[in-house]
Amino acid sequence: QVQLVESGGGLVKPGGSLTLSCAASGFTFSEFYMTWIRQAPGKGLEWVAYISSSGAYTYYADSVKGRFTISRDSAKNSLYLQMSSLRAEDTAVYYCATDHLSGYHFFDHWGQGTLVTVSS
Amino acid sequence: DIQMTQSPSTLSASVGDRVTITCRAGQYISSWLAWYQQKPGKAPNLLIYKASNLQSGVPSRFSGAGSGTEFTLTISSLQPDDSATYYCQQYDTLMYTFGQGTKLEIK
Repeated sequence: QVQLVESGGGLVKPGGSLTLSCAASGFTFSEFYMTWIRQAPGKGLEWVAYISSSGAYTYYADSVKGRFTISRDSAKNSLYLQMSSLRAEDTAVYYCATDHLSGYHFFDHWGQGTLVTVSS
Repeated sequence: DIQMTQSPSTLSASVGDRVTITCRAGQYISSWLAWYQQKPGKAPNLLIYKASNLQSGVPSRFSGAGSGTEFTLTISSLQPDDSATYYCQQYDTLMYTFGQGTKLEIK
């Protein structure tokens, strides 16, 4: 079965950097677009970034553009999110998710999430 | 970005009730809409895609309808396990956006 396991969250100071990882298993990772979605404490869902199945195409929400970088390593079946210049408003649970195999960008498998807290 | 607006924000209903949640898009999105259920401390779970297609494994009491700018999620006979927050999501444009959520409580 599909399994997505995020790691790398934690407490970081404003202006700092952090890299999140998502280990994928149970499916052919190289065939799927992958996405990061976040949820601030007590708030709704916010799409952050996606990467194409080949890694050739990436797209970012305006709120993170220029600060976050999404990448993938198909040899390791892993997805990454490099975050820099972090702000208090980046505090959230970060989920990785698979885009549907059809290629349409809704999300049928999610990880359990990893919490990022940006605070001094 | 396309703004997605859900109503109501909170909803209280009894077991067996028929419940409807509405999601309105700020511009035309055809049928490119999904619905998710999220329980506290858990990741969201896909219920409906392309406005009215039931995801595999989701109980048939859930249904979706609509196109263009107005969409609904209906639970035909509310069960205790349906207590959760529900989100719509548009995927018509690359800036995918979610509604603010509807918290459904069981009386």
